[in-house]
Amino acid sequence: IAGITQAPTSQILAAGRRMTLRCTQDMRHNAMYWYRQDLGLGLRLIHYSNTAGTTGKGEVPDGYSVSRANTDDFPLTLASAVPSQTSVYFCASSGETGGYNEQFFGPGTRLTVL
Amino acid sequence: AQSVAQPEDQVNVAEGNPLTVKCTYSVSGNPYLFWYVQYPNRGLQFLLKYITGDNLVKGSYGFEAEFNKSQTSFHLKKPSALVSDSALYFCAPRIKAAGNKLTFGGGTRVLVKP
Repeated sequence: IAGITQAPTSQILAAGRRMTLRCTQDMRHNAMYWYRQDLGLGLRLIHYSNTAGTTGKGEVPDGYSVSRANTDDFPLTLASAVPSQTSVYFCASSGETGGYNEQFFGPGTRLTVL
Repeated sequence: AQSVAQPEDQVNVAEGNPLTVKCTYSVSGNPYLFWYVQYPNRGLQFLLKYITGDNLVKGSYGFEAEFNKSQTSFHLKKPSALVSDSALYFCAPRIKAAGNKLTFGGGTRVLVKP
């Protein structure tokens, strides 16, 4: 593995179902992020984690939860999916939390909620 | 309120011509400014950043950007565009009030025609 991996690549999900999007990085970065990308809205931050064991809410956290049990993994869970959560989800990481360094992005998960 | 704006949804340019993608921002304090590029069905890739120092910043793939404090702009430029530069470009300032997180503009689609 080099960089960030996300799984699944794409998923079609029935409304009301629970879904976990997986994200793993091998760069030993402290900070990790989850974004959603919707047409015309750019990327919006859902949740973030500055270090293992801590998480924080971003701009659009409702309906999503995250955990950071270790440095490498940062799963995003939709407890009960709704159609408005149809989007492309990107995980990212950064070596520091002060905003100086660039973020590295995974390839994304395309989620459709019907 | 702190924000970022990319006023053009799409920029069309002929191959070999100069390319400019506009970005204006409103942030308090010293701005940290980033440009990212997204190729089709891929995650975002870092292009360049301004933290401090020279106002003209050089980045990957021949791109550069000029920080203009008086105009609060950070336009992305390339002297001679290639067809392979066709992609979605995002400006992203660091917002201190958002916990040093990046706030992404809505994106500008660049189409370079042969």
